[in-house]
Amino acid sequence: QSALTQPPSASGSPGQSVTISCTGTSSDVGGYNYVSWYQQHPGKAPKLMIYEVSKRPSGVPDRFSGSKSGNTASLTVSGLQAEDEADYYCSSYAGSNRGFGGGTKLTVL
Amino acid sequence: EVQLVESGGGLVKPGGSLRLSCAASGFTFSSYSMNWVRQAPGKGLEWVSSISSSSSYIYYADSVKGRFTISRDNAKNSLYLQMNSLRAEDTAVYYCASYVWGSRYFDYWGQGTLVTVSS
Repeated sequence: QSALTQPPSASGSPGQSVTISCTGTSSDVGGYNYVSWYQQHPGKAPKLMIYEVSKRPSGVPDRFSGSKSGNTASLTVSGLQAEDEADYYCSSYAGSNRGFGGGTKLTVL
Repeated sequence: EVQLVESGGGLVKPGGSLRLSCAASGFTFSSYSMNWVRQAPGKGLEWVSSISSSSSYIYYADSVKGRFTISRDNAKNSLYLQMNSLRAEDTAVYYCASYVWGSRYFDYWGQGTLVTVSS
């Protein structure tokens, strides 16, 4: 199974930027440009925020951006807003498996 | 509007069985790979199983292999998960999610159905 590593928590004040990392290996994050990010509010279903490392689906604010360097992908949330407080999960293609990172709880201070 | 509606969750004893269903609407179900993803209480997302659009390719997480069976009925726009030999650690909210094969991401998710395995 995919074993993507995320920091358990991240935080920032309104208006600030925060970056969440997702570290894998050359067999997943580093091997393909198929990293995606999901936002999950408490009690709700996950929502796609970024796909193919840096692409945003329609309706996702451009405050959300993605990037990748080597085996580590990153999600940056700029201009933090209260509604951005949620759990964020990364995922990467890794052959027949579709693993997720452990998740990062983003707190808006 | 895309809708994925799971059903079939509930309380079951260890060793028991349960069948989950996911009714899809608002998109061409038969063209999409589909997945089950679960989330134990207070824990992160765990991919469970995947089935290709024509059921030709099926994959399972090691944690459920040999116990769970994924299937679909494209005529009924429905996805299923037959869960046997259930264990306490299978307790979770189970989500169905559509998967864009070409770009390898989960685009739409249902609201989930809770499965509780307890005596």
